Amino acid sequence: DGGITQSPKYLFRKEGQNVTLSCEQNLNHDAMYWYRQDPGQGLRLIYYSQIVNDFQKGDIAEGYSVSREKKESFPLTVTSAQKNPTAFYLCASSIEGKQYFGPGTRLTVT
Amino acid sequence: AQSVTQLGSHVSVSEGALVLLRCNYSSSVPPYLFWYVQYPNQGLQLLLKYTSAATLVKGINGFEAEFKKSETSFHLTKPSAHMSDAAEYFCAVTNQETSYDKVIFGPGTSLSVIP
Repeated sequence: DGGITQSPKYLFRKEGQNVTLSCEQNLNHDAMYWYRQDPGQGLRLIYYSQIVNDFQKGDIAEGYSVSREKKESFPLTVTSAQKNPTAFYLCASSIEGKQYFGPGTRLTVT
Repeated sequence: AQSVTQLGSHVSVSEGALVLLRCNYSSSVPPYLFWYVQYPNQGLQLLLKYTSAATLVKGINGFEAEFKKSETSFHLTKPSAHMSDAAEYFCAVTNQETSYDKVIFGPGTSLSVIP
């Protein structure tokens, strides 16, 4: 089955630690995205990538970093510089504007 | 620049009643428009997509949306609500000419269905 996988589903970290969220797709899509979702709020774009080895900052990139070494993979690192990292993180890929979402990773930092 | 507004952050309907979720967009170029649904602790699923082929778009689960350029609207409707329709609904817009680019999401509308 084609789709997007995110792991893990739930992630717990101590404040001050960097953490990397995984996102893999086998849809052969060029474009991939990371969003952050807070309770009762819509999606905010963190980073997106249109092709391998290229990515652009979204609206809330501060405290986050990404890489796109392979078409299938777009990992997101939440660094200790992110002031309020606890949130639900969604990865997506797209074709012709239509976005396909992964199941999300809920990150809790204490 | 593109933007999306969704009137009503929360909508409640009775089971069997009409569902109407409002979406208005702003775009200086021909848009692609979308409705997505999100169930708790899950990713978003595409309900339907407008690509200019037809103004009335039918989607999954009995939902449909009508594109009205004069009103810059793309409201989502379903004739008869089911309990399983309770979820968060997001309207979204992207640039039709560069559809690989950013997608702008609205703030979402939470739909409750009352038995």
